[in-house]
Amino acid sequence: QKEVEQNSGPLSVPEGAIASLNCTYSDRGSQSFFWYRQYSGKSPELIMSIYSNGDKEDGRFTAQLNKASQYVSLLIRDSQPSDSATYLCAVNGGGSNYKLTFGKGTLLTVNP
Amino acid sequence: NAGVMQNPRHLVRRRGQEARLRCSPMKGHSHVYWYRQLPEEGLKFMVYLQKENIIDESGMPKERFSAEFPKEGPSILRIQQVVRGDSAAYFCASTTGQEDEQYFGPGTRLTVT
Repeated sequence: QKEVEQNSGPLSVPEGAIASLNCTYSDRGSQSFFWYRQYSGKSPELIMSIYSNGDKEDGRFTAQLNKASQYVSLLIRDSQPSDSATYLCAVNGGGSNYKLTFGKGTLLTVNP
Repeated sequence: NAGVMQNPRHLVRRRGQEARLRCSPMKGHSHVYWYRQLPEEGLKFMVYLQKENIIDESGMPKERFSAEFPKEGPSILRIQQVVRGDSAAYFCASTTGQEDEQYFGPGTRLTVT
């Protein structure tokens, strides 16, 4: 059974700091990796996708992928109180079925 | 959730009643995924549909749950004879089928009393 594990939270950082979120996955055939942000009571919002080894940067967000280690991470620089949310790591196995397997999420709190 | 519509946003049903959840994909999207999020748990895949076809229903309970995506109209997730354990948030996401980034609708929060 495919599994996605995220570092247990909650994670608390001061405003302006770097928040680091981690995720491991069990299926070596996985090809696509995503980070979603979910505010309490809201739906998941896609913030990053990454497909190849290395880093991908988008504004204050950097996703890192290491397929050999089956590891994905998300760094949030200059964290803001508005970044406080649950961050979900999601993985799909590729092919033509894009169903996602999600981790349970890490709750991030950014303190002003 | 750019353009994916779900209704109703909140649904209350008594045990034994039927629940019908609707999802209208983004314009131009013909692939729909349904996920369920139980309280304090992660999102779990339920079913993947294309127009008039169920592609993968491996995540859907065998009994009481069914899904369809007709040629015209929204995709519908139907839960018959609801039980308290069905209380959850149900989300759908859509894609064109040519890419794999999924954008979620606002969800339907089902409460079974």
